[in-house]
Amino acid sequence: GAGVSQSPSNKVTEKGKDVELRCDPISGHTALYWYRQRLGQGLEFLIYFQGNSAPDKSGLPSDRFSAERTGESVSTLTIQRTQQEDSAVYLCASRGPNSPLHFGNGTRLTVT
Amino acid sequence: GNSVTQMEGPVTLSEEAFLTINCTYTATGYPSLFWYVQYPGEGLQLLLKATKADDKGSNKGFEATYRKETTSFHLEKGSVQVSDSAVYFCALSGSSNDYKLSFGAGTTVTVRA
Repeated sequence: GAGVSQSPSNKVTEKGKDVELRCDPISGHTALYWYRQRLGQGLEFLIYFQGNSAPDKSGLPSDRFSAERTGESVSTLTIQRTQQEDSAVYLCASRGPNSPLHFGNGTRLTVT
Repeated sequence: GNSVTQMEGPVTLSEEAFLTINCTYTATGYPSLFWYVQYPGEGLQLLLKATKADDKGSNKGFEATYRKETTSFHLEKGSVQVSDSAVYFCALSGSSNDYKLSFGAGTTVTVRA
């Protein structure tokens, strides 16, 4: 596609439920990032995928958070047993060689 | 670790006014510095960047100069337009982990006609 696509754009879930967020990067982009933005705060790095290398998971805030990516295509971010503090906008970005980051529009997650 | 501090918003100004958004950083080594912009309803996009001290990034009438002595990368535009209304993010990538950008909290700018 023309840009990074994220779905859903909005998600409201009850505390304790699991959620899955999806990111379709730009075709050919080998690098993929997930960031989180809480209200009034900067973007918080979560995880980074680069080709077939082991992902950098150093930003995942707890073991309730996990992410997968199949090859150089779609990535899913899963949050298990959601908590209210997980409410945020989750941003995905991809990057090709010698190109800047391209961000999706994000998924706004609200945990009630 | 690396961090970015940028001016808190929101900022509201009139068309043709001068805009400055302050950004300072903490980093080891020689980071690259960026400004990203998010227009209403759109994803973040790169506005400009500078990769070494004294470099000036520029785009769409915006400028920012990498000042190592003051660890700053302030964004400026001499005459803003309504279409510049957006959220602006300052960011850096460290020299050792250059894939992991650190972002500021963002500054919301509203330009009134």
